[in-house]
Amino acid sequence: AQSVTQLGSHVSVSEGALVLLRCNYSSSVPPYLFWYVQYPNQGLQLLLKYTSAATLVKGINGFEAEFKKSETSFHLTKPSAHMSDAAEYFCAVSEGARGGADGLTFGKGTHLIIQP
Amino acid sequence: SQTIHQWPATLVQPVGSPLSLECTVEGTSNPNLYWYRQAAGRGLQLLFYSVGIGQISSEVPQNLSASRPQDRQFILSSKKLLLSDSGFYLCAWSETSGLRRRTYEQYFGPGTRLTVT
Repeated sequence: AQSVTQLGSHVSVSEGALVLLRCNYSSSVPPYLFWYVQYPNQGLQLLLKYTSAATLVKGINGFEAEFKKSETSFHLTKPSAHMSDAAEYFCAVSEGARGGADGLTFGKGTHLIIQP
Repeated sequence: SQTIHQWPATLVQPVGSPLSLECTVEGTSNPNLYWYRQAAGRGLQLLFYSVGIGQISSEVPQNLSASRPQDRQFILSSKKLLLSDSGFYLCAWSETSGLRRRTYEQYFGPGTRLTVT
């Protein structure tokens, strides 16, 4: 069975500083991995996805994530935080066809706070 | 391109009243459809998913039900709302298997904020 753990329910960084949001997954098969962002009172927007091609994945808004199989991790980073990055971030995993139609399992989310 | 709509955007309903939330998808055929609930300060809870018209799977026993009367329409209902039904309801869709290799991401609608008073 697949699962996701996001370390830190809240992360606070200064504007211009590095953003690092941690995600560890568990999967019995090579996984598909995703990061979503949610702004207040809005739906989830796909930031980036890993689908077994390049291990370093670039997404929208300057975010990227690196798939590390040995560490079962898929951490999200951005070199320089902007005030507009303040939001809730969700990591998700899918086992593909093996996971069935209800495929995605989400982490509990990390609230990113940007200090001016 | 594909778009997903949800309405209403916000809803305030008294305890014991009925509920109907609607979700429609445009620009794709035979999608998988999903209803999630997000309670305040918590993650996403999958409520229902559907792989086709009239085919509904429930993830959590509860006061709610779902229906899929048309290929790209997904409805969440309740006969009598409870206080605990308050939350942010999200509809999502994903591609089904076809000629193109799937990557399994889901695409979300804008959500409906439900407050039961």
